[in-house]
Amino acid sequence: AQKITQTQPGMFVQEKEAVTLDCTYDTSDQSYGLFWYKQPSSGEMIFLIYQGSYDEQNATEGRYSLNFQKARKSANLVISASQLGDSAMYFCAFPTGTASKLTFGTGTRLQVTL
Amino acid sequence: GAVVSQHPSRVICKSGTSVKIECRSLDFQATTMFWYRQFPKQSLMLMATSNEGSKATYEQGVEKDKFLINHASLTLSTLTVTSAHPEDSSFYICSAYRGGYNEQFFGPGTRLTVL
Repeated sequence: AQKITQTQPGMFVQEKEAVTLDCTYDTSDQSYGLFWYKQPSSGEMIFLIYQGSYDEQNATEGRYSLNFQKARKSANLVISASQLGDSAMYFCAFPTGTASKLTFGTGTRLQVTL
Repeated sequence: GAVVSQHPSRVICKSGTSVKIECRSLDFQATTMFWYRQFPKQSLMLMATSNEGSKATYEQGVEKDKFLINHASLTLSTLTVTSAHPEDSSFYICSAYRGGYNEQFFGPGTRLTVL
């Protein structure tokens, strides 16, 4: 069974600075992917970025990028130039099975300060 | 983009009553939808996988007789919490899987409070 771990329950970052949110996973699959979602206080889940295990380059989406290290089984989310609106919970998630059901990490609460 | 709606967004009910939550994919067909539950300050936990035209697949520990799931069409799945009790109070979120896309598309969630 896949296991996904987020070791940082909470993080603070100053506005305009970059921040890295950690995520490690454990799988015996050769082909897999990993998602990051943002959940603001309203509760909606906002898709941020996806990385497939066979993607040669780290994924980037605007200010979001993945530091994907297969050997370490880590897929850390990097948010550059943090904004106050980035304050939220962040979850990494691992799809399993043919139906792609998601297993979520425990989440990291990010607070962006002035 | 792909849009998933949920209704109602918030519901308060008395203990012992049943509550139905709808999840709709508005601009695409979803053969598979998922139902998650999230307690305060916790992560999302998958409750069940809803498949159009067949029985839902429940995760271990989820009571199928308490959480009835019906995927009546390619755009609608419903979750009925039967005989709700205060411990069922939670945030329920659905998602829809769209073939050909990596991501699941999430609804905005339903906050259930059972008094």
